[in-house]
Amino acid sequence: TQLLEQSPQFLSIQEGENLTVYCNSSSVFSSLQWYRQEPGEGPVLLVTVVTGGEVKKLKRLTFQFGDARKDSSLHITAAQPGDTGLYLCAAPPTYKYIFGTGTRLKVLA
Amino acid sequence: NAGVTQTPKFQVLKTGQSMTLQCAQDMNHEYMSWYRQDPGMGLRLIHYSVGAGITDQGEVPNGYNVSRSTTEDFPLRLLSAAPSQTSVYFCASSRRLAGGYNEQFFGPGTRLTVL
Repeated sequence: TQLLEQSPQFLSIQEGENLTVYCNSSSVFSSLQWYRQEPGEGPVLLVTVVTGGEVKKLKRLTFQFGDARKDSSLHITAAQPGDTGLYLCAAPPTYKYIFGTGTRLKVLA
Repeated sequence: NAGVTQTPKFQVLKTGQSMTLQCAQDMNHEYMSWYRQDPGMGLRLIHYSVGAGITDQGEVPNGYNVSRSTTEDFPLRLLSAAPSQTSVYFCASSRRLAGGYNEQFFGPGTRLTVL
């Protein structure tokens, strides 16, 4: 069974701090996606990374796909309260998705 | 467009009861899926469909049935509810992107409690 493990599981930081969350697997994936989920809502797609070593930026969020395509990271610069939510990685993004366990982020004002 | 809609939003069942969770999408997506979300376990795929009349099992299909008679609708049936099925259920539909992968759109979820 393919697994995606995310760390840390919980993260509480002050507004303005930087943070990184990780998504790791022993399997190689053709691509990987990151979602954000706010309380009471379904996940929303943030980004898809498809090439080993690829870096994508979405405003203050930087996503990286590992060279071996087994892991990914999400870095948030100068976190804001609006970044609060559950961050999920998912792969492979075709029919049978596998989701990571999630990182629950809380940014305090 | 309403996107993906799910009903009901909340439901309480007794052990052994059956019910159907409704899911509809108005984006003409071929692919639809059902997930359950439990604390500390992320989202787990229950069943999915790649088009009308075609369904397949995901990671945790036991105790659930699906059918896909139209492109728009993908109901999830609980045959005989058990406390282990207490969870939040999400329906999603997907469109194919240029890179060959899917972008999933999720509904707002149904919170189910089985007593």
